[in-house]
Amino acid sequence: DTEVTQTPKHLVMGMTNKKSLKCEQHMGHRAMYWYKQKAKKPPELMFVYSYEKLSINESVPSRFSPECPNSSLLNLHLHALQPEDSALYLCASSLLAGHTDTQYFGPGTRLTVL
Amino acid sequence: KNEVEQSPQNLTAQEGEFITINCSYSVGISALHWLQQHPGGGIVSLFMLSSGKKKHGRLIATINIQEKHSSLHITASHPRDSAVYICAVRGGANSKLTFGKGITLSVRP
Repeated sequence: DTEVTQTPKHLVMGMTNKKSLKCEQHMGHRAMYWYKQKAKKPPELMFVYSYEKLSINESVPSRFSPECPNSSLLNLHLHALQPEDSALYLCASSLLAGHTDTQYFGPGTRLTVL
Repeated sequence: KNEVEQSPQNLTAQEGEFITINCSYSVGISALHWLQQHPGGGIVSLFMLSSGKKKHGRLIATINIQEKHSSLHITASHPRDSAVYICAVRGGANSKLTFGKGITLSVRP
């Protein structure tokens, strides 16, 4: 199984809503990532988890809250988002967080904030 | 100045043509990735290179560390190859991926 799955595929939420994005992999990878991608732009790294611990936070606003409950699962909790947060949110995983490890990306969740 | 530059920005080809996409980078790297993204879709990792050349099906990726340059070649191109191709580099251990802006490839039948 070389797949990273993400749910939901699409999400529409209001600025006062609380929602969560979910990412799952069963490849035994110990590093997991959240990226944000705006249209026609490359992905921007948000968070990196290594061995279920947050190792990198790229100065992401606190309205985005990541959580790694176990080695297979990565969540992104969303609260009080702004319309400019509308984007494709990509999850990725790699065996470790090392520089020679291939990152496997999920299909993404397309988020629209009204 | 971007650390990763890709050329050309957009590329249109006829089915069956041989296609080359280039990537130049300005920093020392430990690995370079070629990624593919179809419209509205997730990203597929095509290759990871630290030296030499790799081949997978109709795709060939090469890297010249001294010249800080990599190329992705597509032989016998097909409309299903139409996608955005992104080059990304990684510095030393624990460093993040730095992405190029991507090249939009359209292959016409």
